[in-house]
Amino acid sequence: SYELTQPPSVSVAPGQTARITCGGNDIGSKSVHWYQQKPGQAPVLVVYYDTKRPSGIPERFSGSNSGNTATLTITRVDAGDEADYYCQVWESKIDHYVFGTGTKVSVL
Amino acid sequence: QLQLQESGPGLVKPSETLSLTCIVSGGSIRGSSYYWGWIRQPPGRGLEWIGNIYYTGSTYYNPSLKGRVTVSVDTSKNQYSLRLPSVTAADTAVYYCATVKEGATLFGSWGQGTLVTVSS
Repeated sequence: SYELTQPPSVSVAPGQTARITCGGNDIGSKSVHWYQQKPGQAPVLVVYYDTKRPSGIPERFSGSNSGNTATLTITRVDAGDEADYYCQVWESKIDHYVFGTGTKVSVL
Repeated sequence: QLQLQESGPGLVKPSETLSLTCIVSGGSIRGSSYYWGWIRQPPGRGLEWIGNIYYTGSTYYNPSLKGRVTVSVDTSKNQYSLRLPSVTAADTAVYYCATVKEGATLFGSWGQGTLVTVSS
């Protein structure tokens, strides 16, 4: 089965940049989507197809994907960005959606 | 704007069957260009895709749950359902219904989720 590995946690000071990685075998050949989940809430899409942002998502959120790592970058982090973040791909070989292990972003 | 609402018992006894329904509003399941899915999240853990269904009844499931899970659709009621028999404590989770637009690979709309606890 296909696995996506994320760091369990990322801590960042307000105003700084948070980078959340998502590692998977040749993930650069797949489309990666990122979700933000705040406590007690359903996930919300923040980046899709590697680099696109849904309407209403700040430009501070951006994504990249190459080789074996995809990255979600949040610039000018503020307290409202504290949440769990999950990457997700579609594994076409087995018709299977795969979520990453999740990363908790803490704002110091 | 599609809206999804999960419905079902919050407590299920071990070895019994977990049954949930996702009620869809803001659009029709019949003839739509969406796949209708289920995702779960055990307390304090990550997201796990369970399965999807198209309005025609075509389904595909997470291989780790295949054989246990059934997703069905009722277009007359504009809802779809999840059935998971022989549950154990490991099936305790928040269950979400969510949509995938045809041709896409992301979950665009989500329900608020419902916690199902497996306990005697």
